[in-house]
Amino acid sequence: DVKVTQSSRYLVKRTGEKVFLECVQDMDHENMFWYRQDPGLGLRLIYFSYDVKMKEKGDIPEGYSVSREKKERFSLILESASTNQTSMYLCASSQGTSGWTYEQYFGPGTRLTVT
Amino acid sequence: GENVEQHPSTLSVQEGDSAVIKCTYSDSASNYFPWYKQELGKRPQLIIDIRSNVGEKKDQRIAVTLNKTAKHFSLHITETQPEDSAVYFCAASRRLSWGKLQFGAGTQVVVTP
Repeated sequence: DVKVTQSSRYLVKRTGEKVFLECVQDMDHENMFWYRQDPGLGLRLIYFSYDVKMKEKGDIPEGYSVSREKKERFSLILESASTNQTSMYLCASSQGTSGWTYEQYFGPGTRLTVT
Repeated sequence: GENVEQHPSTLSVQEGDSAVIKCTYSDSASNYFPWYKQELGKRPQLIIDIRSNVGEKKDQRIAVTLNKTAKHFSLHITETQPEDSAVYFCAASRRLSWGKLQFGAGTQVVVTP
């Protein structure tokens, strides 16, 4: 059974702070993803990674960076948090063999509030 | 890049009736179309998916149909039950895209007894 965990369910930070969100998966998946979820906007891809130390920008990368030093762990970094980054952040992972797209497994989400 | 549009944004149905959600996509190279269900306060979970080599797939009360020519696909839920109340997301993906999904904006389905 795939398990994707995120470091915090709720987080409150101040404007300008550096924020780290961590995601860990235990299924040896190659691909990992960070989304933000806002009402009426669906799931928007921030960054993704298809291998250790590899990363690609998604649709809304501005104001974010990522790190993947180990296969099971994918971190999202808000260099200087702003109020418009208040959102629900979801991590996901999927297998990446053979170039086909497979099911993404999501973590429980982190509700980030920036004041 | 890929763009996925989803309609309607909200759908209210009587218990026992059918619900249909439609999505259109723009990238003709897309070949994988999953549907995710997100219950209130929970994480999104895959409920059904279809690849472009088939036109329809069914799993108990849910089914997905795909029209590649028109570039649209639909989720059908029959005999709706209160536990079908959730937000449903469609998505599209192409091969060799590192598993990246482009999601629709979601449909809030409310099943009233």
